[in-house]
Amino acid sequence: QQPVQSPQAVILREGEDAVINCSSSKALYSVHWYRQKHGEAPVFLMILLKGGEQKGHEKISASFNEKKQQSSLYLTASQLSYSGTYFCGTEVYTNAGKSTFGDGTTLTVKP
Amino acid sequence: KAGVTQTPRYLIKTRGQQVTLSCSPISGHRSVSWYQQTPGQGLQFLFEYFSETQRNKGNFPGRFSGRQFSNSRSEMNVSTLELGDSALYLCASSPVADTEAFFGQGTRLTVV
Repeated sequence: QQPVQSPQAVILREGEDAVINCSSSKALYSVHWYRQKHGEAPVFLMILLKGGEQKGHEKISASFNEKKQQSSLYLTASQLSYSGTYFCGTEVYTNAGKSTFGDGTTLTVKP
Repeated sequence: KAGVTQTPRYLIKTRGQQVTLSCSPISGHRSVSWYQQTPGQGLQFLFEYFSETQRNKGNFPGRFSGRQFSNSRSEMNVSTLELGDSALYLCASSPVADTEAFFGQGTRLTVV
């Protein structure tokens, strides 16, 4: 079942922070995050495998709450280069290796 | 280190024809996954191969098939093409499952 991402779109000014959420109705085995710019391939940001784990990548970090079947992506002090569509991909325990993606969150960072 | 290579980059086919897309993963990567991306349906999982075995398959009709060779290169085949098959087909490779995945630039398929 497809995870639900929120919000669908967000507009920021440079330096502002944003949070993107990814929720599933099923018990998650892993969550992975990607950023895709228009006309380009998705770029892997991070994968989270354990409950409550938090990882970081530059000024982008994510948490995974296994009990809530939810992951959040945190973008701090956003830069123009952060603009793009962010996707979360999830795998459930019963079908590890089969990724299901959310509809994406479009992030626009303005000067 | 060369990235994931997908060929061809663009393809135009007629309804009813079949098509084969190719994906060469990063050297040493054994896991290859295929995805279909469309504006209306987003990013959808097609299948995943590991060491020449299909481990997972998405909810696509049997017209969509794939295989992986001993050198980890993978092909995807779509038979009896329909207009709705027009999409960007992406391939991603990983050293093993549950690790960082690298996407190719994709093959843009247009069915007319």
